[in-house]
Amino acid sequence: EAGVTQSPTHLIKTRGQQATLRCSPISGHTSVYWYQQALGLGLQFLLWYDEGEERNRGNFPPRFSGRQFPNYSSELNVNALELEDSALYLCASSHETQYFGPGTRLLVL
Amino acid sequence: GNSVTQMEGPVTLSEEAFLTINCTYTATGYPSLFWYVQYPGEGLQLLLKATKADDKGSNKGFEATYRKETTSFHLEKGSVQVSDSAVYFCALRDAGGTSYGKLTFGQGTILTVHP
Repeated sequence: EAGVTQSPTHLIKTRGQQATLRCSPISGHTSVYWYQQALGLGLQFLLWYDEGEERNRGNFPPRFSGRQFPNYSSELNVNALELEDSALYLCASSHETQYFGPGTRLLVL
Repeated sequence: GNSVTQMEGPVTLSEEAFLTINCTYTATGYPSLFWYVQYPGEGLQLLLKATKADDKGSNKGFEATYRKETTSFHLEKGSVQVSDSAVYFCALRDAGGTSYGKLTFGQGTILTVHP
């Protein structure tokens, strides 16, 4: 059974640009979670989508947004990129337990 | 709000040594508890979990027992291997309220095992 997949693996942007990160959940999972792992800050919850709806949101500004598609895949969009947005962005899918993808490493220059 | 506190690292052990990584939590409800492991350059892998008090999660020689009375979920392994070198995260998932669904993580403990 395929695990959670994320694309791209690496992304380099400059300040002020927009980034789009993608996640495909494990087959049969309807929930997708996004987390940010910034250096020295640990893992922070960003967003939770289930059945196409945003269910919960972490303490991040509105320029972090996303959506979930009918096939349960998800996009995370980060607008007006700032240097401190450089991090590993992890997606997880869940039926009960959350299973994580390999992450997208975003570097903002 | 919910929080997870892990023993500070890094932890350095010799192969075949006994491992304990302490984890305590604060939660409003009756959370599920997890240990995840992150190998260099990779995402998180679920190591083990426990969903109610006195449950013991185990996997690959690692064990942790959900202790409600001490709000703890310490990770143990009787004999570590070099391949266990990684970062270990303790996490909880609340059963309801505004924290419902999301995982709250500890700060992570770096484990290095030498031959």
